[in-house]
Amino acid sequence: GESVGLHLPTLSVQEGDNSIINCAYSNSASDYFIWYKQESGKGPQFIIDIRSNMDKRQGQRVTVLLNKTVKHLSLQIAATQPGDSAVYFCADSYPNTGNQFYFGTGTSLTVIP
Amino acid sequence: ETGVTQTPRHLVMGMTNKKSLKCEQHLGHNAMYWYKQSAKKPLELMFVYNFKEQTENNSVPSRFSPECPNSSHLFLHLHTLQPEDSALYLCASSQDEKLFFGSGTQLSVL
Repeated sequence: GESVGLHLPTLSVQEGDNSIINCAYSNSASDYFIWYKQESGKGPQFIIDIRSNMDKRQGQRVTVLLNKTVKHLSLQIAATQPGDSAVYFCADSYPNTGNQFYFGTGTSLTVIP
Repeated sequence: ETGVTQTPRHLVMGMTNKKSLKCEQHLGHNAMYWYKQSAKKPLELMFVYNFKEQTENNSVPSRFSPECPNSSHLFLHLHTLQPEDSALYLCASSQDEKLFFGSGTQLSVL
């Protein structure tokens, strides 16, 4: 079956540094990918998405990179701030699954002031 | 706020109790979902409703019973749960592919 996994369960970075969170997926038919952020006591919140016809997409302080050759996805956060401390999930979906997403287990990011 | 509201935020119930979780979305979306979030596990999709019709039941035990009376409201009825059902239950809605989640109900089954 489908599996989506993050490389590291925890990540600590210094405030102001850049953060990179990695994710691997197994289904080569996956065509849509999303990153979510979940703060304590809240539900996951959409950060950024990318389709399989793209390699890179940028948002405000965040960049998602997609490498379809090795089925790898990464989220880069520039100038990490204390408010970025949260659990980050990647999720993917593929055609004809009726909007079903497959989530990874999450990476807990801690920003050290 | 995401526009998806879940109540209650916390629930403690015994194994013989009957309770219901409620979800309401104010986004005009057509699809609503129930997910289960357990520690150290990926989010597990439980049910999907599109235009009030259930389109996905991900092999969920019958002690979980969803209800979708209209496209803005979703319920999860709980009956004779087990301690291993303790988890965070998240509701989400979507119009296109992006999911908007509520804050969840933290359920503890004693």
